[in-house]
Amino acid sequence: QSALTQPPSAAGSPGQSVTISCTGTSSDVGRFNYVSWYQQHPGKAPKLMIYEVNRRPSGVPDRFSGSKSGNTASLTVSGLQAEDEADYYCNSYAGSNNFVFGTGTKVTVL
Amino acid sequence: QVRLKQSGPGLVKPSQTLSLTCTVSGGSVSSTGYYWSWIRQLPGKGLEWIGYIYYLGATYYNPSLKSRVTISLDTSRDQFSLRLTSVTAADTAVYYCAESRGGYLFDNWGQGTLVIVSS
Repeated sequence: QSALTQPPSAAGSPGQSVTISCTGTSSDVGRFNYVSWYQQHPGKAPKLMIYEVNRRPSGVPDRFSGSKSGNTASLTVSGLQAEDEADYYCNSYAGSNNFVFGTGTKVTVL
Repeated sequence: QVRLKQSGPGLVKPSQTLSLTCTVSGGSVSSTGYYWSWIRQLPGKGLEWIGYIYYLGATYYNPSLKSRVTISLDTSRDQFSLRLTSVTAADTAVYYCAESRGGYLFDNWGQGTLVIVSS
């Protein structure tokens, strides 16, 4: 099972939007609506930001949104803030009780 | 608020067994519908799902690690544990435990444990 493909980096100025892609296959992202996104600050544990493609857990700002088209899922962060600077990982259910994570994207707030 | 606290050695010798425990507070490992996961992060790299155990005890593992992994549940102590046998330097990573409501997301994580495999 190969890791989902994410761009290594993305950047935006405060107030702007940034979108991160997460490309899988028809066996994982394309097949199931069980894509989740995690934010990880340096030295910290990941934090769930989006689940089931586009649902936000309680407490996550609505600046964070998710979507999916075919084998590619996306996370958009609108109205970028300094605290959004972090690594972001996607995850997808891959069937047969197996999961695959993305390669990770470092978001920089310019 | 459920909290997960990890414990276990940070240094393991090659060929030996890595053992970590995750203690759940503010909740129960017997909560209906919950899965309890282990996930690792190799140095400077991304995340890798190791496996999880259902609250009723069924286990599911990453096929790439399946032959070396055991995840178990101790309901009397509200703990779940990871055992990884025959470790090598390639198993050096930060290991996380995580809670999963319904099995398709990881919504609560432990603090992480850096485990170094070295003689």
